[in-house]
Amino acid sequence: DTGVSQDPRHKITKRGQNVTFRCDPISEHNRLYWYRQTLGQGPEFLTYFQNEAQLEKSRLLSDRFSAERPKGSFSTLEIQRTEQGDSAMYLCASSLVGGVGAFFGQGTRLTVV
Amino acid sequence: QQQVKQSPQSLIVQKGGISIINCAYENTAFDYFPWYQQFPGKGPALLIAIRPDVSEKKEGRFTISFNKSAKQFSLHIMDSQPGDSATYFCAARTGGYQKVTFGTGTKLQVIP
Repeated sequence: DTGVSQDPRHKITKRGQNVTFRCDPISEHNRLYWYRQTLGQGPEFLTYFQNEAQLEKSRLLSDRFSAERPKGSFSTLEIQRTEQGDSAMYLCASSLVGGVGAFFGQGTRLTVV
Repeated sequence: QQQVKQSPQSLIVQKGGISIINCAYENTAFDYFPWYQQFPGKGPALLIAIRPDVSEKKEGRFTISFNKSAKQFSLHIMDSQPGDSATYFCAARTGGYQKVTFGTGTKLQVIP
């Protein structure tokens, strides 16, 4: 399967700990997006990369959140000093420039206890 | 501020019936309106999409109707099947890339 891959699928962490998620986009896709989805809600945009450049960040992305895409391929999303409100599904998506839509991964479900 | 409003929140339809989900938007800068289907434990999957210069788009059993003047659009699922049971999200895009604003979702259950 050459779709968008996210790792880990599930993460349980204690409040105050740091966590890092990884996303591997579809190989030829130069755009990569991070979204957050809480239970019963639609995904909310967090940030977007074109190749290695981070071009937009949502106000939802507090200073505790940082995302990177060092070589324009895979991306990581780090949350520092996790809070219970960070509990959510973190979704990664990728697309081509001018593509008809973004393809989502299966997400990483984060639970902060 | 919710820019894309979606209704109903949940929907139960009998097999073979028509499922209708409605959405309304406020931002006239939106230039692309996709619908996503999401099964439990999975990421959203693009189902069908429409641009605002088109009033209707049909792909198989799925049809989007778009009313630009009313800033409303809807998804119709004809001959609904139990395998269609999922959560459906309408969405809207600006900026020429895939940053989309999602609606709150409609949980569809198709009963045999």
